Amino acid sequence: GAGVSQSPSNKVTEKGKDVELRCDPISGHTALYWYRQSLGQGLEFLIYFQGNSAPDKSGLPSDRFSAERTGGSVSTLTIQRTQQEDSAVYLCASSTTGVLSTDTQYFGPGTRLTVL
Amino acid sequence: KQEVTQIPAALSVPEGENLVLNCSFTDSAIYNLQWFRQDPGKGLTSLLLIQSSQREQTSGRLNASLDKSSGRSTLYIAASQPGDSATYLCAASTGANSKLTFGKGITLSVRP
Repeated sequence: GAGVSQSPSNKVTEKGKDVELRCDPISGHTALYWYRQSLGQGLEFLIYFQGNSAPDKSGLPSDRFSAERTGGSVSTLTIQRTQQEDSAVYLCASSTTGVLSTDTQYFGPGTRLTVL
Repeated sequence: KQEVTQIPAALSVPEGENLVLNCSFTDSAIYNLQWFRQDPGKGLTSLLLIQSSQREQTSGRLNASLDKSSGRSTLYIAASQPGDSATYLCAASTGANSKLTFGKGITLSVRP
């Protein structure tokens, strides 16, 4: 596609439920990133994929959060047993290689998650 | 740990003014410094990327500078327009994976 796409655009769930957020990166981009944007914390890094592997998961806030990437393309971020503090906008970005200083990260429109 | 600061949090200017948005970072070992624009309810749009070896980059009415030694970057907007109203975020790219550390952004309002 022309840009990074994410689905759903909005998700409302009840506390304790599991949710899956999807990201489709720009075709051919090997690097994929997940970030979270919340009112109090700003934009925070969650996880980085290089191809299908995730060499940096240092930003995942707890073991309730996990992510995978398949076929070097689509990625899914899963949050188990959601809590109210998980409410935020989850942004996905991709870049050509993830290792060059010239790499720009291109962001999707985000998924707004609300946990009731 | 990299920390990125943007002050002030909000700025209001009349149309036509030239303005400077500031960004500071604590760790000078960056790969690049990126400026983004975010409109309400939208994702981030990349404006400019300055590699660590560069001093500045220009695109249209925008000019971004980088001073690694002092840990500062500025985004200069010439002849501001109401359509420039948005939140501007700077982000420092560090580490082998180029992950971004963001400032909290400056919300700019350009009054007609």
